[in-house]
Amino acid sequence: ILNVEQSPQSLHVQEGDSTNFTCSFPSSNFYALHWYRWETAKSPEALFVMTLNGDEKKKGRISATLNTKEGYSYLYIKGSQPEDSATYLCAFPNTGGFKTIFGAGTRLFVKA
Amino acid sequence: NAGVTQTPKFQVLKTGQSMTLQCAQDMNHEYMSWYRQDPGMGLRLIHYSVGAGITDQGEVPNGYNVSRSTTEDFPLRLLSAAPSQTSVYFCASSAYSNSYEQYFGPGTRLTVT
Repeated sequence: ILNVEQSPQSLHVQEGDSTNFTCSFPSSNFYALHWYRWETAKSPEALFVMTLNGDEKKKGRISATLNTKEGYSYLYIKGSQPEDSATYLCAFPNTGGFKTIFGAGTRLFVKA
Repeated sequence: NAGVTQTPKFQVLKTGQSMTLQCAQDMNHEYMSWYRQDPGMGLRLIHYSVGAGITDQGEVPNGYNVSRSTTEDFPLRLLSAAPSQTSVYFCASSAYSNSYEQYFGPGTRLTVT
């Protein structure tokens, strides 16, 4: 069983703070790394699909980096807003893609 | 495109009852998976399928059965419901062409009493 670990488990920040989370994954047999945003009472939705070492992706105030050699990815949120409150999941599909394992997630609370 | 659909949205079962959670996708994705969501544990993979007629076990398969007779449909069967199966169940589909990004259905909230 693959191990995908995320930290911290939860985070409370004030509106306007910048924050970041970590996802660590097995560095061998890397194929891709996904980040998902999961709002309460909804389904997870993909933020980023990252496939290359050194990849940096950006969507508005949210960005992510990837280091496949050491097995970690960072997700950054600049100037957090209350609407950023959600659980952020990272996921690791195995080579062949038929088995995607999710981390337990980082739950972000942004206070206005 | 409806994407991934799941029925029912809510279900209450008594211990020992059986039922089937339905999942369908209209994106012609080859891969489909069932996950369960439990507090503090994220999403855990129950079963997955790489194409019609091919299924395999994930991390937590006990007590569940799946089949995939068509590309579109991937039902999950609870054989004899137990309170430990109280959870929210998500079906997802993905494709090689987009690096297996998971597209999720709306979820089924199951309570077993």
